[in-house]
Amino acid sequence: AQSVTQLDSQVPVFEEAPVELRCNYSSSVSVYLFWYVQYPNQGLQLLLKYLSGSTLVKGINGFEAEFNKSQTSFHLRKPSVHISDTAEYFCAVKAMNSGYSTLTFGKGTMLLVSP
Amino acid sequence: ETGVTQTPRHLVMGMTNKKSLKCEQHLGHNAMYWYKQSAKKPLELMFVYSLEERVENNSVPSRFSPECPNSSHLFLHLHTLQPEDSALYLCASSPRPAGEGTGELFFGEGSRLTVL
Repeated sequence: AQSVTQLDSQVPVFEEAPVELRCNYSSSVSVYLFWYVQYPNQGLQLLLKYLSGSTLVKGINGFEAEFNKSQTSFHLRKPSVHISDTAEYFCAVKAMNSGYSTLTFGKGTMLLVSP
Repeated sequence: ETGVTQTPRHLVMGMTNKKSLKCEQHLGHNAMYWYKQSAKKPLELMFVYSLEERVENNSVPSRFSPECPNSSHLFLHLHTLQPEDSALYLCASSPRPAGEGTGELFFGEGSRLTVL
C-alpha cells in the first residue's frame, strides 16, 4: 500500500513571495503523482500530475512540481504567489500496475497568502 | 452542463429526515466515488462504483446508502444521520474502471451537509 505525507498543515506567506509545499510518499512500486487545489467551499481541482517522463511538471496558475524518486518526494512550488492562491493543496499518489488501487491523498496543506 | 455536477450544494436536515445527494458526470467516465471531507480531518473515501457495480465500501455506517442506477449518476441516500455526519460530501469520477489507469479523479463542487 502507498501513503502520502504532507509535512506542513499550514504555510503562511506574503504576496509575491515564493512558496514550496512539501509532499513525500511511500510505495514499494512506481507511482503516479498528483497535486489538487481546493478553494473555499469548492471541490478539488487538478493542478498538475506526474505520470512519466520529465521530472519537472508544470501545471495551471504558474505552479510546478518536481518528482524526485530517490527522495520519494513531489514538492509543489510557485515563484511568486498571489492572494488568490489562498487555498488548501492536496498531494495524492497511486501505485502503477499493482492490482486494484485508488488515489491515496495527503492530509492537505493550507496556503495562506497575505498582503 | 460539463464535468461533475452535485446537487444540492447545501443541505440542512434534522436527524430524523431522509434526504438524498445527487451526482451526475457528463464525461463518459467508468467509475464514480463518494468522499467525506470533515473539518480538520483527511479526505475519507466512502464508496466506489466501477462499471455500475459497488467495488468498495469503507466501513461506512448503514445510515448512508449509495445507489448507482447508471454510469452517469450516483446518489447518496441519507437517513437518521447524526450531527457528526455534518461535512462536505464530494463526488468524483475517473475515466477508467476503478483501480485501473492513472487513478486521476475529477471532482464535483461538493454538497455541504449540516445535520441539526
